[in-house]
Amino acid sequence: DADVTQTPRNRITKTGKRIMLECSQTKGHDRMYWYRQDPGLGLRLIYYSFDVKDINKGEISDGYSVSRQAQAKFSLSLESAIPNQTALYFCATSDPPGDTQYFGPGTRLTVL
Amino acid sequence: AQSVTQPDIHITVSEGASLELRCNYSYGATPYLFWYVQSPGQGLQLLLKYFSGDTLVQGIKGFEAEFKRSQSSFNLRKPSVHWSDAAEYFCAVADGSGNTGKLIFGQGTTLQVKP
Repeated sequence: DADVTQTPRNRITKTGKRIMLECSQTKGHDRMYWYRQDPGLGLRLIYYSFDVKDINKGEISDGYSVSRQAQAKFSLSLESAIPNQTALYFCATSDPPGDTQYFGPGTRLTVL
Repeated sequence: AQSVTQPDIHITVSEGASLELRCNYSYGATPYLFWYVQSPGQGLQLLLKYFSGDTLVQGIKGFEAEFKRSQSSFNLRKPSVHWSDAAEYFCAVADGSGNTGKLIFGQGTTLQVKP
């Protein structure tokens, strides 16, 4: 089984809808991250969490929120989706600080 | 502010030829440096990383990279490319103090391999 899983893998939604992307990990890491990937821009950090009670904004957090339900689960929400949030979203984990980040397979989100 | 630049958006090489992908970073202190590969429809897989010590780092799939502090570079190399190496490659830098663990990614380089 994969160490970092993301659901759904693909999602098409409409403008204004609320959507949640979920991430689970079995690596036992404390730190989890959400990135979005856009062509030509690489990956940009949306939010990151050091543990269940420590959540921090990344460089592009506007329009997004997160929830760390447990050490193993970190969800990303779009409260009111808009077309420019169409992107590939990745979850990652790492431990200890500064060490390798392990990525999930990604969720391709399309907002119409 | 930290930044990573991959000057080549797209590179095409013939199978069996050598490869070098460029990466330049901007960071005031000692960086942690990474190269990841993303195959079509897949997540990112770590190829190699540099934290300290020997500036020539060996990775998986026959890749290596050299950290050159004077040039702020961390170029990825492979002596003989295989068709299966066609993918997108990302260079990334992290806070070397380990305080945040956040990665800053370059824009990516897409590698095409000709038969």
